[in-house]
Amino acid sequence: EPEVTQTPSHQVTQMGQEVILRCVPISNHLYFYWYRQILGQKVEFLVSFYNNEISEKSEIFDDQFSVERPDGSNFTLKIRSTKLEDSAMYFCASRPRRGGGEQYFGPGTRLTVT
Amino acid sequence: GESVGLHLPTLSVQEGDNSIINCAYSNSASDYFIWYKQESGKGPQFIIDIRSNMDKRQGQRVTVLLNKTVKHLSLQIAATQPGDSAVYFCAEKSLEGGGADGLTFGKGTHLIIQP
Repeated sequence: EPEVTQTPSHQVTQMGQEVILRCVPISNHLYFYWYRQILGQKVEFLVSFYNNEISEKSEIFDDQFSVERPDGSNFTLKIRSTKLEDSAMYFCASRPRRGGGEQYFGPGTRLTVT
Repeated sequence: GESVGLHLPTLSVQEGDNSIINCAYSNSASDYFIWYKQESGKGPQFIIDIRSNMDKRQGQRVTVLLNKTVKHLSLQIAATQPGDSAVYFCAEKSLEGGGADGLTFGKGTHLIIQP
C-alpha cells in the first residue's frame, strides 16, 4: 500500500540554523500539506500546496518557513532560522483529489532545536 | 477563534467493551469531519470520515455520529482491543472552495484499553 514517507526521522539543530525537512507524498496525489505537533499538543496546520503553489497557510507559517516541490516527487519544508519554539514533530500529508477525501499522513520528523 | 475541541483528555475502558469518544466543534461552516488515530511516535492514521449531509457512518468496528444541530461528533469503537489504545483526534474543514485548505484538529483523547 502506498504511503507518505519523511526524512529524516529526527533532526537536531542549533538555534539560528536552517533546516530542510523532506517528504515524498503518495505518487498520484495532488494536494500536499505540512502540519506540526508540539509535544503533548494537538496537530496544527501549517500550509497546503497545490499546482506548484501555496493554496493556504496558517498564522504559524511566517516568513521563516517556505515550501517547495523541486522535482515532482519530493515536497520540502524549510525553516530559515530555527528558534527553540520550532521544536516539534512535523508531519507531511497528501490527498488525491478535490472536494474532500482524507489526508494521508507520513510518520513525521522530530525536530529538536537546541 | 473557532476551533474543534474534545471533551475528555483520557478515556479508560475494559478490553471488549465499547468506547465512545466525543468531539465538539464551533465552526458552523464545517461540513467535513474526520477521525484520526495516533499511536505513540507515529503520524495520524485515518479511521473514518463523514460529510455534513449524513448523520451516521459505519466502518469496521467504528461508527461516527454527527449532530449538526449541537455541533457534536462522536466516534464509537465496538469490542475494543489492546491495539485500539492510542490518541484519537477529530478534525474538520469546510469543503467550500474545493477543499484545498488544511484540517483543524481537536486536542485529542487518549484511549486506554485495560486488559
